[in-house]
Amino acid sequence: SQKIEQNSEALNIQEGKTATLTCNYTNYSPAYLQWYRQDPGRGPVFLLLIRENEKEKRKERLKVTFDTTLKQSLFHITASQPADSATYLCALFGSGGYQKVTFGTGTKLQVIP
Amino acid sequence: EPEVTQTPSHQVTQMGQEVILRCVPISNHLYFYWYRQILGQKVEFLVSFYNNEISEKSEIFDDQFSVERPDGSNFTLKIRSTKLEDSAMYFCASRVSGTGGETQYFGPGTRLLVL
Repeated sequence: SQKIEQNSEALNIQEGKTATLTCNYTNYSPAYLQWYRQDPGRGPVFLLLIRENEKEKRKERLKVTFDTTLKQSLFHITASQPADSATYLCALFGSGGYQKVTFGTGTKLQVIP
Repeated sequence: EPEVTQTPSHQVTQMGQEVILRCVPISNHLYFYWYRQILGQKVEFLVSFYNNEISEKSEIFDDQFSVERPDGSNFTLKIRSTKLEDSAMYFCASRVSGTGGETQYFGPGTRLLVL
């Protein structure tokens, strides 16, 4: 069955360092992958999308890589700040317009001042 | 900035009762979704809706669930006879286009508690 794993449930890093979060998937060939941020009691907020034919995407302090051979995506936050503390979710979409979305379990990031 | 809204923010109901959760998607969006998140667990897809019909549903979305777009703005999720295990946060989402992976915009959620 399709499975998405995010490397750890929780990650603590010092302010100013780069946070790296991992998303691995099996039995899936997604057309594209998204990363979301979720704060407690709130809905997910879209951050970045990367397509299967793209290796890397950047947006301000965020960077996403997508390796379809390894079936892995890495999500980096550079110069991390306490305000970056949240749960980060990866989500996989199949090809086509409105296919089922599958979310990972999330990694809770805590940036320590 | 346009946003997805959901009402109510919290709903408490007795087991066996019917509940209707309401969503107002962003006005020019064409694809609508419901997800749920049981406390401490991952966000789970329930159903997608396009052109006034269900386009895909998960195994969670059984006969107890139904969705409707009763007018040009609202999108509702009905649970006919609630069970204890239906207690969760329910999120509505919408997006403007079905191709290319355009962003899904999520609402703030309705927290449903079944007693």
